[in-house]
Amino acid sequence: GENVEQHPSTLSVQEGDSAVIKCTYSDSASNYFPWYKQELGKRPQLIIDIRSNVGEKKDQRIAVTLNKTAKHFSLHITETQPEDSAVYFCAAYYQTGANNLFFGTGTRLTVIP
Amino acid sequence: DAGVTQSPTHLIKTRGQQVTLRCSPKSGHDTVSWYQQALGQGPQFIFQYYEEEERQRGNFPDRFSGHQFPNYSSELNVNALLLGDSALYLCASRSTVSTEAFFGQGTRLTVV
Repeated sequence: GENVEQHPSTLSVQEGDSAVIKCTYSDSASNYFPWYKQELGKRPQLIIDIRSNVGEKKDQRIAVTLNKTAKHFSLHITETQPEDSAVYFCAAYYQTGANNLFFGTGTRLTVIP
Repeated sequence: DAGVTQSPTHLIKTRGQQVTLRCSPKSGHDTVSWYQQALGQGPQFIFQYYEEEERQRGNFPDRFSGHQFPNYSSELNVNALLLGDSALYLCASRSTVSTEAFFGQGTRLTVV
């Protein structure tokens, strides 16, 4: 199946600085890459996604980039705020059979006020 | 729209027992997937149900089984519980015409 690796596992930034989380995937057939934010004790929430026909997508302070050749994608958060503190998961959509998401191991982001 | 709902929210079971977790998908969704999320880890895919059939399965033993009903709701059953089965169990639903998955709040299972 798909293998998704995510780095770093923890990330601390000062409020206002940028944060970057990187993921790689193994299945070249994957064509959908969502990012989820999970706050403590809560369900994962989709924050942004990108499809393989696009190289970059932005939504206010959040952006995602995709490099299909290298099979890696990244989440960029600019002007970080304390409420951005959470665990972030990348995922790849395994384009076969029933089509399921395979998740990275998560990055715990802490934004220091 | 209540979104994806799961029950119960918390559960404590004894090793060797059996447990059933329930999931009601978001309105309009017909596909339900189950994930196991151990503490500090990402969700791990267990299996997916569509049209009342298991369509794909992750790397989980046969002790994990499921069911989907005609109204698209689903159950996850785990037999012969082990301490290592303690985790947050997440249900995600989507429509077959969409890739976006919506998660329930999860059931936290503790095996003692």
